Amino acid sequence: SQQGEEDPQALSIQEGENATMNCSYKTSINNLQWYRQNSGRGLVHLILIRSNEREKHSGRLRVTLDTSKKSSSLLITASRAADTASYFCATQRSGGSNYKLTFGKGTLLTVNP
Amino acid sequence: NAGVMQNPRHLVRRRGQEARLRCSPMKGHSHVYWYRQLPEEGLKFMVYLQKENIIDESGMPKERFSAEFPKEGPSILRIQQVVRGDSAAYFCASSPSRGTDTQYFGPGTRLTVL
Repeated sequence: SQQGEEDPQALSIQEGENATMNCSYKTSINNLQWYRQNSGRGLVHLILIRSNEREKHSGRLRVTLDTSKKSSSLLITASRAADTASYFCATQRSGGSNYKLTFGKGTLLTVNP
Repeated sequence: NAGVMQNPRHLVRRRGQEARLRCSPMKGHSHVYWYRQLPEEGLKFMVYLQKENIIDESGMPKERFSAEFPKEGPSILRIQQVVRGDSAAYFCASSPSRGTDTQYFGPGTRLTVL
């Protein structure tokens, strides 16, 4: 089964609008992380939220975590053209092999100027 | 403090050749992870190494693939007798300790097999 599935697969918005991406997962987790990947580039770590946290903020980013629903959302407020990228959620499970990051397929966000 | 370094950034090989991908972790990090990203997919865990030890290679194909992290020098991911299906982006990440810690990713090596 696929851990960390993002939704939607693609999202296109206008500059200044908010963008919301969702992530669902299947197993018990220690934490959930969001990464950004610009086309053809490496991954940039955005934010980490632990299983005992419900919400976290970093600049224009807001992440929520609902462990009862095994889901998370990433909100980017006041989007900019430079936010255009693929966004991935990744989980680290609780228990053994907790170092492994399990990624979803990502959401491709396009912010139109 | 330089980030995770990977080289080469792009590598082209013909079927049957060998590919060697190198990764230098961030300074002070002794834990290295390799992930593979196929086109239009998320990253998939391949192997986790500490200096001179393979800790977990459960995500790595049993044949043709090997990884090492020697006492001195970078970590190496080696793919022997490459096939077209090996074409992918290979990312290395490092962390200062084992377990649930932020992993810092390198820029990746894009392997194309002709």
